[in-house]
Amino acid sequence: NAGVTQTPKFQVLKTGQSMTLQCAQDMNHNSMYWYRQDPGMGLRLIYYSASEGTTDKGEVPNGYNVSRLNKREFSLRLESAAPSQTSVYFCASSESLAGGTGELFFGEGSRLTVL
Amino acid sequence: RKEVEQDPGPFNVPEGATVAFNCTYSNSASQSFFWYRQDCRKEPKLLMSVYSSGNEDGRFTAQLNRASQYISLLIRDSKLSDSATYLCVVKLGDYKLSFGAGTTVTVRA
Repeated sequence: NAGVTQTPKFQVLKTGQSMTLQCAQDMNHNSMYWYRQDPGMGLRLIYYSASEGTTDKGEVPNGYNVSRLNKREFSLRLESAAPSQTSVYFCASSESLAGGTGELFFGEGSRLTVL
Repeated sequence: RKEVEQDPGPFNVPEGATVAFNCTYSNSASQSFFWYRQDCRKEPKLLMSVYSSGNEDGRFTAQLNRASQYISLLIRDSKLSDSATYLCVVKLGDYKLSFGAGTTVTVRA
């Protein structure tokens, strides 16, 4: 069972470069999310998509854009990477927004370093 | 003030010991509460929900104290495989899940 798959797993960028993180889920979930995780801080929500065709800002959306391409796929784009965006990025999905039971299913994470 | 605060630990315990730790939350309107487990360099996974009356799942017991705004997790008969970071998660509103930074538990042989 693939669950939530995100690519790439590792990426090194130079300041000002752009890139897109891809995420796909095969659980037929309606809601999808992008989080970032930094040392000493909890997971912080960047953007979320309650359902296909909708996207909304989370706590830390500046410097990012997202696309809900279809029900399965939710991508995160960094238009002009900055060192402050060095982080581990997690894509997640749930059956309903914030998970009716609180259960989010996470991808394995993408480790991004911006030099 | 952070919405969810946890003692980062680490809690170093021998196999077979009991370990317990708390998580405090700032918003009294928080609706639901959960514990997630995150192994080193892995993704978080739901460990258990926390119910108002408290609940157990095998060796794990979760408690909620709404008056003092904290939840707790107790692990009995610790196993080496329990070594992980435990994330406290609080649901507020329709979409907002607030994650704590985690409490690290290391179980030694």
